[in-house]
Amino acid sequence: GGIITQTPKFLIGQEGQKLTLKCQQNFNHDTMYWYRQDSGKGLRLIYYSITENDLQKGDLSEGYDASREKKSSFSLTVTSAQKNEMAVFLCASSSDRGGQDTQYFGPGTRLLVL
Amino acid sequence: SQWGEENLQALSIQEGEDVTMNCSYKTYTTVVHWYRQDSGRGPALIILIRSNEREKRSGRLRATLDTSSQSSSLSITAAQCEDTAVYFCATDDNNNRIFFGDGTQLVVKP
Repeated sequence: GGIITQTPKFLIGQEGQKLTLKCQQNFNHDTMYWYRQDSGKGLRLIYYSITENDLQKGDLSEGYDASREKKSSFSLTVTSAQKNEMAVFLCASSSDRGGQDTQYFGPGTRLLVL
Repeated sequence: SQWGEENLQALSIQEGEDVTMNCSYKTYTTVVHWYRQDSGRGPALIILIRSNEREKRSGRLRATLDTSSQSSSLSITAAQCEDTAVYFCATDDNNNRIFFGDGTQLVVKP
């Protein structure tokens, strides 16, 4: 089996700050995803990548940048943190069949902006 | 939006009872995923049912898919306290991405 690691586990930022979240997977999966989860809500797709150096925008990409430096890693940047923002950011990976196969999730990064 | 129901729903049952959670979706999908999310953790797949399957079972779990009505259900038989979690359904767009519903918070009381 494999594992998805997300760092940091908790992230506290200031309004206007640029914040970077990191994700690593050892499944050797081609496709990786970043989702945002707000309290009491489902997951909303921010960015995904189907291979190294590929980036695809999701429904919530505004205000975020992403980078797929290598197959095993996918990072997400909040370009300007919004005051009182609080959410969980979840990273996932999947085989090249993407939406038709299992997505494996990391434990999440919890963001709080003061 | 992909989904007909947008708000997190909550269900509270007693241990040993059966429970069914429902999802409806708006556009064609080739597969419905059912995920479970425990508090403080990422979602984990529990059942994946494809458009050519009407029913799929895994232990005490049973998923159904009705493509004509664009709906799916997840049933748990003889629920146990450890089944307490948020359950999400998700559909794919045949283009590497899946869409999640808002989920159902299930609480199983001893």
